Amino acid sequence: GAVVSQHPSWVICKSGTSVKIECRSLDFQATTMFWYRQFPKQSLMLMATSNEGSKATYEQGVEKDKFLINHASLTLSTLTVTSAHPEDSSFYICSARDPAGGFSPLHFGNGTRLTVT
Amino acid sequence: GENVEQHPSTLSVQEGDSAVIKCTYSDSASNYFPWYKQELGKGPQLIIDIRSNVGEKKDQRIAVTLNKTAKHFSLHITETQPEDSAVYFCAAILYNQGGKLIFGQGTELSVKP
Repeated sequence: GAVVSQHPSWVICKSGTSVKIECRSLDFQATTMFWYRQFPKQSLMLMATSNEGSKATYEQGVEKDKFLINHASLTLSTLTVTSAHPEDSSFYICSARDPAGGFSPLHFGNGTRLTVT
Repeated sequence: GENVEQHPSTLSVQEGDSAVIKCTYSDSASNYFPWYKQELGKGPQLIIDIRSNVGEKKDQRIAVTLNKTAKHFSLHITETQPEDSAVYFCAAILYNQGGKLIFGQGTELSVKP
C-alpha cells in the first residue's frame, strides 16, 4: 500500500529557532499533501494543503509566515516552523493521497513530535 | 463547512466484547468516510472506509455502517482484543472539493484482558 514517510520523528529546538519537517510519498507521486497538527488528547486539525508547484492553502487561523510549506516535487513536501515558540510544541503529521488510485484514501506519516524549549 | 461529531470520547470493554463508535456529519454532500486507528506516538492508520453509495462494509472483525439520510456512520469492532486498544477517529470528506479530510474528536478505546 501507499507509504508516507516523515522525518524527523522527533525534534527539540530552542525558542526562536526554525525547524524543518519533511514528508515524502515513497511509492507514489502526490500532487497534494496535507499538514495536520495534533495537541495531546485532541483530534487532528488541518493546517494547510500543500500543492506541488504552487502556493499552499492555509486554514483559517494558521499563520502562513510562521508555518512555511514547500512542495517542490511530486514526492516531497516540507513544513518549516519559523521562530518557534513553546506554544508551537505539538505533534505534526502529514498525509498524502495516491491520485493514481482513483477514489483512494489519505495515508499518514508517523508524525513529528516538536518540543520547543 | 463540514463538521464531524464523534461519540463516545472514551470506551472501555472486556476482551471479546464488541465496541461501537458513532459519528455524525453535517454536510450531506460528503461522500467518503474513513476510519483511522492511532496508537500512541504514531500517525493515524486507515482501518476501513466506506463510500456514500454503500450502506455497510465489513473486513474481518471490523465493520462500518452508513446512514446517509440521518447523516451518521458507525464503526463496529467484534471480538475485541487488547491490541485493539487505541484512539479511533472517524472522518468525512467531500472528494470533489479539494479532498480536505475533517476528523471527529476521537474515541479512546481500552480493551481489558
